[in-house]
Amino acid sequence: AQSVSQHNHHVILSEAASLELGCNYSYGGTVNLFWYVQYPGQHLQLLLKYFSGDPLVKGIKGFEAEFIKSKFSFNLRKPSVQWSDTAEYFCAVNARGRALTFGSGTRLQVQP
Amino acid sequence: DAGVIQSPRHEVTEMGQEVTLRCKLISGHNSLFWYRQTMMRGLELLIYFNNNVPIDDSGMPEDRFSAKMPNASFSTLKIQPSEPRDSAVYFCASSTIDGNQPQHFGDGTRLSIL
Repeated sequence: AQSVSQHNHHVILSEAASLELGCNYSYGGTVNLFWYVQYPGQHLQLLLKYFSGDPLVKGIKGFEAEFIKSKFSFNLRKPSVQWSDTAEYFCAVNARGRALTFGSGTRLQVQP
Repeated sequence: DAGVIQSPRHEVTEMGQEVTLRCKLISGHNSLFWYRQTMMRGLELLIYFNNNVPIDDSGMPEDRFSAKMPNASFSTLKIQPSEPRDSAVYFCASSTIDGNQPQHFGDGTRLSIL
């Protein structure tokens, strides 16, 4: 069975600080990897995805993630956060065409 | 293009009542997923369909929950009878069977059972 582990449950940063959110997964086959963001009271929006190819993936709003196969990791990064990045971030994996397995989420709070 | 459309956005009802949640897929998508989000359990899959056929319903809590796809673009999730522990946000997502598209989520239905 698939599982996803997000190490940080709650992260507080000041504006302009750099961000890295950890994500590790467990799965025996080829996976697709995703980061979704959920702003307060809203639905899940796709930040970025990895299907194959270049393991460094760039997404929307200046976010990027790196797939390290040997470490089963897909960490999310942003060099300089803004107050508007305050949200909950979910790492997710699936086998192609199958349902997503989500991590428990990381709540990011950016202080002005 | 319209995204995944869910209705209602909010539902408050009393324990024991029947609840029906609705979802319209993105045009051209043929995979449909129902997820539930709670504080205690996070985001978890309830059921998903490919081409209107249920593929994995292992996440459906019990017989009180049922889901259908009466046609290729529409799905319902029904809870009968509802219980307070069913209170959650229910998300619908759609994608393509080939897995070449990420899943796109609807706005969710916030369900409160009193």
